[in-house]
Amino acid sequence: DAKTTQPNSMESNEEEPVHLPCNHSTISGTDYIHWYRQLPSQGPEYVIHGLTSNVNNRMASLAIAEDRKSSTLILHRATLRDAAVYYCILYGGATNKLIFGTGTLLAVQP
Amino acid sequence: EAGVAQSPRYKIIEKRQSVAFWCNPISGHATLYWYQQILGQGPKLLIQFQNNGVVDDSQLPKDRFSAERLKGVDSTLKIQPAKLEDSAVYLCASSLSLEGAWEQYFGPGTRLTVT
Repeated sequence: DAKTTQPNSMESNEEEPVHLPCNHSTISGTDYIHWYRQLPSQGPEYVIHGLTSNVNNRMASLAIAEDRKSSTLILHRATLRDAAVYYCILYGGATNKLIFGTGTLLAVQP
Repeated sequence: EAGVAQSPRYKIIEKRQSVAFWCNPISGHATLYWYQQILGQGPKLLIQFQNNGVVDDSQLPKDRFSAERLKGVDSTLKIQPAKLEDSAVYLCASSLSLEGAWEQYFGPGTRLTVT
């Protein structure tokens, strides 16, 4: 399974943008890049996904490098409720499985 | 829309005892998943059902763990006998279908402590 690499932790200030990086140098052509997040004491929740083009939704934006070897999840204005573990996951091919790494723990300071 | 329900939320047992967890997925979701999340790690898939059939149980420790999904709706995960290393949060998730497995909806989990 193709792997992703994320920083263990990041810090942000409230109401500032946050850029969460993810490296996936062994990504295959059929792999989609997915992001989930896990708030404290909750199960993970889907955030966004993309294949090649940048994507936006109500929660976040996903910027994908042209060579697809890295991507960045962008929270445009961090709030205290965005403090969570963010997981970058490659999904596709025949596996139909979400394989979680350890993710990035995002702390948001008021 | 009601989310994925799990019970109990917390359970403390002694090693060698047995325990069971229950999950009710989102209505209409054909695919159901059980994950184990050890403290400090991401969730690890234990078993995946499509309706009431097992799709993947390659990571399930079958000597002590069992799961079933009767009638393709609710599911139970059982551990018998429990070991100290089974202390973890057990998460249930569901998705519309196998093809839609990229968007899974998770329950709040059951935190198991084995002493």
